[in-house]
Amino acid sequence: GIQVEQSPPDLILQEGANSTLRCNFSDSVNNLQWFHQNPWGQLINLFYIPSGTKQNGRLSATTVATERYSLLYISSSQTTDSGVYFCAVDSSNFGNEKLTFGTGTRLTIIP
Amino acid sequence: DTAVSQTPKYLVTQMGNDKSIKCEQNLGHDTMYWYKQDSKKFLKIMFSYNNKELIINETVPNRFSPKSPDKAHLNLHINSLELGDSAVYFCASSQVTRESSYEQYFGPGTRLTVT
Repeated sequence: GIQVEQSPPDLILQEGANSTLRCNFSDSVNNLQWFHQNPWGQLINLFYIPSGTKQNGRLSATTVATERYSLLYISSSQTTDSGVYFCAVDSSNFGNEKLTFGTGTRLTIIP
Repeated sequence: DTAVSQTPKYLVTQMGNDKSIKCEQNLGHDTMYWYKQDSKKFLKIMFSYNNKELIINETVPNRFSPKSPDKAHLNLHINSLELGDSAVYFCASSQVTRESSYEQYFGPGTRLTVT
């Protein structure tokens, strides 16, 4: 099956710093999503981005499908950005959709 | 106005018991999923249902039996619980069409602890 690697595994930053999280995947995809799992365990949808670039406030994401990677940018970090960020992809045929998750990047923002 | 809801949020039970987790979505989606997150935070698909029909069963022990009474509900029943079943179980839903791609939306999770 498809492999998903995320880097770095851990990231500790001061409040106000910027960060870039990376997701590499081993096959072509028809779905790629970024999630934030907050300290309470909720999985929050950040982006649905199988290709192209999107922005939402201080967050933006870019997926270069031909090169099989996606980047999540967080600018002007806040303590509420702390948590684990997951990339998840789907490469299956129509009717057999399922997300394969990476192992996540744990982000800690220090006040 | 919760899009995907699960009950209960927490479940503590003893080995050997049988328990159920319920999931409901009000997004009008036709596909629902169960994912398991283990103690190392790794998330993996267990099952998917499309219009009440089982599509994916990802080598899950047959002690786990999903049931979909209608396309808005997907429940998970677990028989003879084992210590290794302790995890967080997430329900998700999406709308799947041939023409357009889709996004999965997740419920708040159910933390199952087997003692």
